[in-house]
Amino acid sequence: QVQLVQSGAEVKTPGASLKLSCKASEYTFTSHFVHWVRQAPGQGLEWLGRIDPRGDHTFYGQRFQGRVTMTRDTSTSTVYMVLSSLRSEDTAVYYCIREVMSNFDYWGQGTLVTVSS
Amino acid sequence: QTVVTQEPSLTVSPGGTVTLTCASSTGAVTSDYSPNWFQQKPGQAPRSLIYSTSNKHSWTPARFSGSLLGGKAALTLSGVQPEDEADYYCLLHYADARVFGGGTKLTVL
Repeated sequence: QVQLVQSGAEVKTPGASLKLSCKASEYTFTSHFVHWVRQAPGQGLEWLGRIDPRGDHTFYGQRFQGRVTMTRDTSTSTVYMVLSSLRSEDTAVYYCIREVMSNFDYWGQGTLVTVSS
Repeated sequence: QTVVTQEPSLTVSPGGTVTLTCASSTGAVTSDYSPNWFQQKPGQAPRSLIYSTSNKHSWTPARFSGSLLGGKAALTLSGVQPEDEADYYCLLHYADARVFGGGTKLTVL
C-alpha cells in the first residue's frame, strides 16, 4: 500500500525557517512527482510547488518563489520542503501528495505548523 | 494570477442530485487541464475522488462522476447520501503549475 508519512507538528517563531519531510514507501520513488499543499485553519487548499524526485527538478507557485525550496533524498525516498521567513499567515496544515499522470492519488497525513511569537 | 472558482456552498436533499462546478479565469476548462476532485471531511486529509476529468479510483463511490459542462469541470453526485456532506475541492493543471479552487461546502439536508 502506497504511503507518504510526514514529519511531526512544528511550532516556529516569525522569521524562522521550517523544514518538513515526507517519506514515501511501497512505490518507485523516482517515478512520480511529489507536491506540497497547505491549508490554513478554516481555509481552502493552496498549492506550494512540486519536485520531480528523478532529477531533482522543481517548480514553485508564484507566491512562494524565493521562500520555498524542495529537495529529495533518493537513498531514503524522502522529500523535504523548506519554507523560510515564516509569518503568522504560514500557520497551516501542510500535505505532501504523490502525482501519477495528473492524478493526485495519495496524500500524506499532514503536518500542523504553527507560527507564533 | 490564475483563479479557479467553485460555488462556495450548495445544499442537497438525501437521494437527490447535485452538480458542483469548477471554472478557470483563463477561459473554458478542457481536458487539457486534467481536472481533479477531492473530498474533505472535518479533521481529515483530503481524499481524491476523480482525476483527469472523469476517471475514478477504486475507492470512489459509483454515485460520483466527473465531466466537462459548459466550459467548466463538473462533479455530479447522484443519489446523495448523508455521508457525502463535506467540502469538495477541484484542482486544475496549468502546465507545470497547479491551482485549487476555493472549495464547495456541500450540505445534505
